Amino acid sequence: DAGVTQSPTHLIKTRGQQVTLRCSPISGHKSVSWYQQVLGQGPQFIFQYYEKEERGRGNFPDRFSARQFPNYSSELNVNALLLGDSALYLCASSRRQGRNQPQHFGDGTRLSIL
Amino acid sequence: AQKITQTQPGMFVQEKEAVTLDCTYDTSDQSYGLFWYKQPSSGEMIFLIYQGSYDEQNATEGRYSLNFQKARKSANLVISASQLGDSAMYFCAMREGNFQKLVFGTGTRLLVSP
Repeated sequence: DAGVTQSPTHLIKTRGQQVTLRCSPISGHKSVSWYQQVLGQGPQFIFQYYEKEERGRGNFPDRFSARQFPNYSSELNVNALLLGDSALYLCASSRRQGRNQPQHFGDGTRLSIL
Repeated sequence: AQKITQTQPGMFVQEKEAVTLDCTYDTSDQSYGLFWYKQPSSGEMIFLIYQGSYDEQNATEGRYSLNFQKARKSANLVISASQLGDSAMYFCAMREGNFQKLVFGTGTRLLVSP
């Protein structure tokens, strides 16, 4: 089975632009989460979607938004990009809710803001 | 308050030796899960091992074992018989309750030498 796939792998944008990142979960996984990993730090939780509903939101500004589609894929949108948004954006999927469900991560999208 | 603490920024170990990576956590929940992930330089986060707060036995997965000391709130990762391919960043993470949000530590960089 294919793992979590993310696109694009790399992206360069300028300040003020908007970006859309895409994620396809592992087949059969209904939960998708997004994380931001700034260089030298651990990932920070942005959003979680389960069965197409938002189930959790981290401490990020309203410039960040996401959605999940009927096929459980997901998009993360960031508006009015700032230099500080430069990071690796990771998508993770799990089969269902529950504390013992491991999240499986994709390779990430490396976003650079000039 | 920091919920996951990894006090070792870097660790060195020789091939075939065992190494312990430290992780302490802070939570007031009775129900939580602890995870370890490996992140090679390529960026993907690879799930290694899981320990539930109610699990009585320490988790093991191949060469990985988790030394879970609930009273001390520690969840150290032990890698036995280190291999060159084990060189990577290692992150400890916690999930509370049934929420999917993972809280990560700052990571430990492990270098395995021949």
